[in-house]
Amino acid sequence: AQKVTQAQTEISVVEKEDVTLDCVYETRDTTYYLFWYKQPPSGELVFLIRRNSFDEQNEISGRYSWNFQKSTSSFNFTITASQVVDSAVYFCALRKGQGAQKLVFGQGTRLTINP
Amino acid sequence: DAGVIQSPRHEVTEMGQEVTLRCKPISGHNSLFWYRQTMMRGLELLIYFNNNVPIDDSGMPEDRFSAKMPNASFSTLKIQPSEPRDSAVYFCASSLARGISTSGSETDTQYFGPGTRLTVL
Repeated sequence: AQKVTQAQTEISVVEKEDVTLDCVYETRDTTYYLFWYKQPPSGELVFLIRRNSFDEQNEISGRYSWNFQKSTSSFNFTITASQVVDSAVYFCALRKGQGAQKLVFGQGTRLTINP
Repeated sequence: DAGVIQSPRHEVTEMGQEVTLRCKPISGHNSLFWYRQTMMRGLELLIYFNNNVPIDDSGMPEDRFSAKMPNASFSTLKIQPSEPRDSAVYFCASSLARGISTSGSETDTQYFGPGTRLTVL
């Protein structure tokens, strides 16, 4: 069975602070994909990044970075110099294999950036 | 390009009424997913289709729920009769499912619609 755990239910920081959102996953599949989605207050789900199990290189996109470590089954997300617009619920998700497969989501982390 | 389109965006109905949610996937995508988001259960898959064929409906809560995909550009999720516990946000997502690849490209990524907020009184 697949499982995603986001242990941090809520995080609140002051603007310009760095913040890391944790994601731990469980799977028996050798081929799998990890995702992060953002859900702003408006409610839509916005795709941020996808990583496959064969690629452990860290990814950086502007102020966002992702650290994928198979040894600890973690796929953590760091926002550097946070901004108020980063306030949202962030979901980590896992999908097995290729093709049409369902996403298994974590419970989400509500991030509040205070001015 | 247009993203996933869902209608209606908000639906308020009374218990016992039939509710139909609609989804238009991204043009060219061949997989469509229906998810439900509640405070208690989070985001969970209800059903998904590949090439208009239902692949996994194990998440459909009970016989009151049904989903169809008559063609590649349209899907419906129907609840009949509706109950207050069906109140949730229903998301539709679509993706282009390809064959085996380890290239790390953005194939198979699911893109979500804006959701339908359903309230059953």
